[in-house]
Amino acid sequence: GAGVSQSPSNKVTEKGKDVELRCDPISGHTALYWYRQSLGQGLEFLIYFQGNSAPDKSGLPSDRFSAERTGGSVSTLTIQRTQQEDSAVYLCATSGAYEQYFGPGTRLTVT
Amino acid sequence: GEDVEQSLFLSVREGDSSVINCTYTDSSSTYLYWYKQEPGAGLQLLTYIFSNMDMKQDQRLTVLLNKKDKHLSLRIADTQTGDSAIYFCAESIAGQKVTFGIGTKLQVIP
Repeated sequence: GAGVSQSPSNKVTEKGKDVELRCDPISGHTALYWYRQSLGQGLEFLIYFQGNSAPDKSGLPSDRFSAERTGGSVSTLTIQRTQQEDSAVYLCATSGAYEQYFGPGTRLTVT
Repeated sequence: GEDVEQSLFLSVREGDSSVINCTYTDSSSTYLYWYKQEPGAGLQLLTYIFSNMDMKQDQRLTVLLNKKDKHLSLRIADTQTGDSAIYFCAESIAGQKVTFGIGTKLQVIP
């Protein structure tokens, strides 16, 4: 069956530009997470959506980062005025009952 | 808030047993997980345990849970080179946010 998909798979952008990353969750999954993983590092939690509740934004590293989830389905993570330290793999995950399913990630490179 | 801690690195020889340890702070945790991330790949659920269990065994994998000490471990018997990966411990309360540890990189030496 269809899993979590993310687009684009790779994104190269110039410092200072804005980028949008997209996550298409598994149908029916109410919880959606965004994580960041820098090269060789662990997972850094960014934001968590659960149903119609207000999102948990406690992991967003700065006000340049924002995320939306439209109609409880597709989510976009936006990074404004990108910096080189934003270079990482951005992972989306969704969950139903208890297991999280991860997307393949978007590799962002800021030059 | 919730916190999950694990060591960063573990090196074992092929054929030996690996034990990856994790501690968590939330005593209300309902589910505890181990995820595996192979090089260049995404995270996949390896195994999980409910908080009312002490142990779960699945082929070469044994998960031990000590609720009193809030300690979770993953034992891999007869470790193979294909087990080289990053292993993430995670916990959640049913229906609430899953919290991940930073990941333990397992290196298997042939």
